[in-house]
Amino acid sequence: SQTIHQWPATLVQPVGSPLSLECTVEGTSNPNLYWYRQAAGRGLQLLFYSVGIGQISSEVPQNLSASRPQDRQFILSSKKLLLSDSGFYLCAWIRGAGELFFGEGSRLTVL
Amino acid sequence: AQKITQTQPGMFVQEKEAVTLDCTYDTSDQSYGLFWYKQPSSGEMIFLIYQGSYDEQNATEGRYSLNFQKARKSANLVISASQLGDSAMYFCAMREGLIQGAQKLVFGQGTRLTINP
Repeated sequence: SQTIHQWPATLVQPVGSPLSLECTVEGTSNPNLYWYRQAAGRGLQLLFYSVGIGQISSEVPQNLSASRPQDRQFILSSKKLLLSDSGFYLCAWIRGAGELFFGEGSRLTVL
Repeated sequence: AQKITQTQPGMFVQEKEAVTLDCTYDTSDQSYGLFWYKQPSSGEMIFLIYQGSYDEQNATEGRYSLNFQKARKSANLVISASQLGDSAMYFCAMREGLIQGAQKLVFGQGTRLTINP
């Protein structure tokens, strides 16, 4: 069966520090992968998506970047975090009719 | 412009009652998909139900059904016989066609459902 995992689950970082969130998918090959962010009490905003190794599309200009070094690995990064980067980050892969299956989420607090 | 609109920020329902969560969407595509997700306090996003734009019958999954009214561009979620465990945020989402080889989902702002005992 397919599974998706992301870590760390919780992160508290100072402003200006770097960030790396990792997501891996098991049980499937060449998945379309997505990074979403959810601000407190809000809906989900699509940040990046990837259709293959090294292929990254950005949805909104921001302080973050994404990379896909391996088929089933998707990484969200920042060189210098801002306060506005705080939020709940969700990695997901898509299948079938287009339903997204999400990881457990990573809660980032920037102080 | 909002692609997905959920007009109910919060709803309170008595246990065992049925509840309808509203969702309207905006698209000019003929082919699209509509989804509902549940987000408990743990934060995980749980896929509930899917309706394709060409599906003539309303989708059902156990206690969940999707009231699809294409002409009105609405895709309301109906939960029958609500349970305490149904308390969560609920998000409506839409997939519009295929964009650059990747299908993208756009989410509404969500409705917080609270089931009272």
